[in-house]
Amino acid sequence: DAGVTQSPTHLIKTRGQQVTLRCSPKSGHDTVSWYQQALGQGPQFIFQYYEEEERQRGNFPDRFSGHQFPNYSSELNVNALLLGDSALYLCASSWVGAGPDTQYFGPGTRLTVL
Amino acid sequence: AQSVSQHNHHVILSEAASLELGCNYSYGGTVNLFWYVQYPGQHLQLLLKYFSGDPLVKGIKGFEAEFIKSKFSFNLRKPSVQWSDTAEYFCAVSRPNTDKLIFGTGTRLQVFP
Repeated sequence: DAGVTQSPTHLIKTRGQQVTLRCSPKSGHDTVSWYQQALGQGPQFIFQYYEEEERQRGNFPDRFSGHQFPNYSSELNVNALLLGDSALYLCASSWVGAGPDTQYFGPGTRLTVL
Repeated sequence: AQSVSQHNHHVILSEAASLELGCNYSYGGTVNLFWYVQYPGQHLQLLLKYFSGDPLVKGIKGFEAEFIKSKFSFNLRKPSVQWSDTAEYFCAVSRPNTDKLIFGTGTRLQVFP
């Protein structure tokens, strides 16, 4: 049983570019949450998707957007990249309504913005 | 806004030493409390959680945490650490009926044999 998978593992972009990160949830999970973990910081909640819609959102600008597909996989898109967007982006999956303690985290995508 | 403070950024211990990592949160209402651990090269995983009931909760690998409501604290403890406990530890809170986790900045624990 595969856990949460994320791609790519590492990514290097330049300021102003756009990036798409991908997440496949753990088998049987229908909800995907995205977190940003800057160096030396704890993860910060970006948003959560369920039934292809954004359910909750953290304090992130509109440059951060997402999508969930019918197979429950998800994408995180970041437009107009800033140096400050450099971070580890974590995806977590769970069953809807099962509680935050049921979230399984993926290995993350390391984004570097130059 | 809710926030979580972890006062110890880096802790270095010898094996068999006792461990206590501090965690304080700022939120006046009901909260759910968590400790997560990230071992080197591994995914973030849940160590223990508190939703209600007995304020002393036990987690995996001999860890426990005590919720003290009056102090808004949820400190993590282990009587005797092992080299394999070397990892980064994150305290987190959530409000009831939401999956949104608010994490502290983490504590890096190094245990030497």
